[in-house]
Amino acid sequence: GAGVSQTPSNKVTEKGKYVELRCDPISGHTALYWYRQSLGQGPEFLIYFQGTGAADDSGLPNDRFFAVRPEGSVSTLKIQRTERGDSAVYLCASSPGTGKETQYFGPGTRLLVL
Amino acid sequence: GDSVTQMEGPVTLSEEAFLTINCTYTATGYPSLFWYVQYPGEGLQLLLKATKADDKGSNKGFEATYRKETTSFHLEKGSVQVSDSAVYFCAALNSGYALNFGKGTSLLVTP
Repeated sequence: GAGVSQTPSNKVTEKGKYVELRCDPISGHTALYWYRQSLGQGPEFLIYFQGTGAADDSGLPNDRFFAVRPEGSVSTLKIQRTERGDSAVYLCASSPGTGKETQYFGPGTRLLVL
Repeated sequence: GDSVTQMEGPVTLSEEAFLTINCTYTATGYPSLFWYVQYPGEGLQLLLKATKADDKGSNKGFEATYRKETTSFHLEKGSVQVSDSAVYFCAALNSGYALNFGKGTSLLVTP
């Protein structure tokens, strides 16, 4: 079946602009996660959704970052007033939502802030 | 807090050589442990996992054993191929839902 998909695959923006990154999880997965991977580093957790609600947003670095999942499927990560330090690969993952389980990752969105 | 430490790369091996990538974790409980692989130009893929002590995960010739006494989950393969060239990430999932990843180990296998 279809895996996790993310759009766009690449995004170039200017400092101060607003961006939206989209994630489409595996069908039927109730849990959805966002991670950020900086160059040469492992992914770092940003936020976790169970259904429509953000169950844990402790990894969001500041209030410029926000994510939604209004219908419990597709999620959008929103970054306001982008900064050069936001440049990274943003990864989305999903899992069935039954407990401590394997997370399946999408290909990521590479964000470059000029 | 919880953390994962894996050996730094890059690791360069000749084809058919033996591979070990070390991974240790710190956690208050008994996390599930994972190895993910990232091939050039592709996303993270699950390679193998183990959910409790002494479990052995295996896939594509790779193996890793969950060692509670040494808090380790070292990745091994008896004979690497050029196609194994990738970045390997060790990760732990403890009481929460956030995977804790190591920094990754780059592996280059030469013919």
